Amino acid sequence: EVQLLESGGDLVQPGGSLTLSCAVSGFTFNNYAMSWVRQAPGKGLEWVSVISTGGLSTYYADSVKGRFTISRENSKNTLYLQMNSLRAEDTAVYYCAKSAITGTARVYFDYWGQGTLVTVSS
Amino acid sequence: DIQMTQSPSSLSASVKDRVTITCRASQDINNYLAWYQQKPGKVPKLLIYSASTLQSGVPSRFSGSGSGTYFTLTISSLQPEDVATYYCQKYNTAPLTFGPGTKVDIK
Repeated sequence: EVQLLESGGDLVQPGGSLTLSCAVSGFTFNNYAMSWVRQAPGKGLEWVSVISTGGLSTYYADSVKGRFTISRENSKNTLYLQMNSLRAEDTAVYYCAKSAITGTARVYFDYWGQGTLVTVSS
Repeated sequence: DIQMTQSPSSLSASVKDRVTITCRASQDINNYLAWYQQKPGKVPKLLIYSASTLQSGVPSRFSGSGSGTYFTLTISSLQPEDVATYYCQKYNTAPLTFGPGTKVDIK
């Protein structure tokens, strides 16, 4: 059974930093690109970032470019999102999502975690 | 960057009605288009990929069509369990943009 479990969400002050983790099981992690997708309270889905299978290729939404860093540790079946210079508008539930197909950056998502809440407020 | 729009933003229909949601891309994305369903308080669920391929386990009343810049998601006979927000997503290249969503409820 495929499982994705996010952790690390918290209340943080504007300008602060936070690292999210997503521990996965039930599939061969290093065969699939992975993404972070967020959803602000009462709002739609916003794609944040994607990382290739080996971690060499990463892409970001303009809204987080230069502030967020996606990474993965294939030996630990874990995906990360390092978030710096956090703003109020970064407040959202952050989901990790698994690519539905192997070995490509043309990514859509067949499994999602339950999400972790990040609140940026003073 | 390519922008994704959806229409309508919300709709209300009766059980067994045929419902169609439209998704438009500002540039040609070939058929690199997926549809998701998100029920209230739940995680998004993949319905359709490659614009028209039904994900395994998804009821056959859901169908997708289109290519290029114009796409549709159709529910042939709306059921109460279909109350949800539906999102399209382009995946030809990054950014992997989602549409703004269409909220569907029962009249």
